[in-house]
Amino acid sequence: EVELLESGGGVVQPGGSLRLSCAASGFTFSTSAMGWVRQAPGKGLEFVSSINAGGGSTYYGKSVRGRFTVSRDNSKNTVYLQMNNVGVEDTAVYFCARALHEYNYVDPFDVWGRGTMVIASS
Amino acid sequence: DIQMTQSPSTLSASVGDRVTITCRTSESTFESLAWYQQKPGRAPKLLIYKASTLQGDVSSRFSGSGYGTEFTLTISSLQPDDFATYYCHHYGDYSPAFGPGTRVDIK
Repeated sequence: EVELLESGGGVVQPGGSLRLSCAASGFTFSTSAMGWVRQAPGKGLEFVSSINAGGGSTYYGKSVRGRFTVSRDNSKNTVYLQMNNVGVEDTAVYFCARALHEYNYVDPFDVWGRGTMVIASS
Repeated sequence: DIQMTQSPSTLSASVGDRVTITCRTSESTFESLAWYQQKPGRAPKLLIYKASTLQGDVSSRFSGSGYGTEFTLTISSLQPDDFATYYCHHYGDYSPAFGPGTRVDIK
């Protein structure tokens, strides 16, 4: 069964750091681009970041650029989101998602995890 | 960056109704437009991509159309399972964005 499982969420102080992980199973992870999308409480979806299959190319939403870094370890079937200088505006559920077509880097997302909650609060 | 709008923001409808949601973009996205359904507490589900291509396991009562800057999602006969929030998603460049969402609730 194709599955994505996020972890690493929790409470972080404003200005602090957190690393989210997303473990993939049931498909060939090394040929799939991956992404992160977030949803603040009661709000809509917001694109956070994407990374290509090999890990060498990334792009970010404007609100996180320069603070968040996406990476992946294809030997562990895991994608990461390093969140630095976290602000209260980053409070959200963070979803990990798979790009629809193999090797496509700019693509919609066809498989989603259940999400992990990040709360930035002092 | 491309700006996204959706209309209406909320839609009240009955089972069996034909429902249409519109998504507009500030610049042409050509056909790089997807639609998702999301229910409370759940992850989004991909319904349509490339403006009109139905994702594999999605019911044929869902359809999409449009090109450039104006797109529509149509549900031909609303079913109880379809009450949810729907988002459009422009993915054609390195500044993807989601629309603000349209909530479909029971009249």
